Amino acid sequence: GDSVTQMEGPVTLSEEAFLTINCTYTATGYPSLFWYVQYPGEGLQLLLKATKADDKGSNKGFEATYRKETTSFHLEKGSVQVSDSAVYFCALSSSGGSYIPTFGRGTSLIVHP
Amino acid sequence: NAGVTQTPKFQVLKTGQSMTLQCAQDMNHNSMYWYRQDPGMGLRLIYYSASEGTTDKGEVPNGYNVSRLNKREFSLRLESAAPSQTSVYFCASSESGGRTDTQYFGPGTRLTVL
Repeated sequence: GDSVTQMEGPVTLSEEAFLTINCTYTATGYPSLFWYVQYPGEGLQLLLKATKADDKGSNKGFEATYRKETTSFHLEKGSVQVSDSAVYFCALSSSGGSYIPTFGRGTSLIVHP
Repeated sequence: NAGVTQTPKFQVLKTGQSMTLQCAQDMNHNSMYWYRQDPGMGLRLIYYSASEGTTDKGEVPNGYNVSRLNKREFSLRLESAAPSQTSVYFCASSESGGRTDTQYFGPGTRLTVL
């Protein structure tokens, strides 16, 4: 079945540091890939997505590239801010899962001033 | 445009009590979902409704029932609450349940079962 593996947290960074959160996947069929963000006390919201190989999703300074050869979709940001502190979820949707999204377990990011 | 709304926001139950969590979306989406979120477990799908009039079990359906009342509303019922059902519950919707669909989440219901 489909699965998503993302690095365990928490990831703790100082403001303006470079961020990478790793995400790898296993999927039956051709998946779309997503990053969702959850701010404290809120529901998840879409951060970015990519629907085909080599596509780059980007939003709010975050980027992730769909790498089919390495089955990865790593999230990056060049300079994090305190306001980026949140939990980040990698997810995929494919025919193998009847297009029901499969989520990773989430990675908590804490950014200190 | 409120998106996905959930009621209540917080609830405390005693073991054996029942309750219904309400969810509504105003985006004319066909597909709706109920998840629970527990520390270290990520999101787990309880039930989903691919379209009005259909419901299907997800990964952890035991102890829950759902009703897709109409296209807008999808409720989750706990008939006899157990402490293991203490969790944060999220409702979500998507346009058609397709490969590229974005899921839109409500703010969650924080449930404690004593």
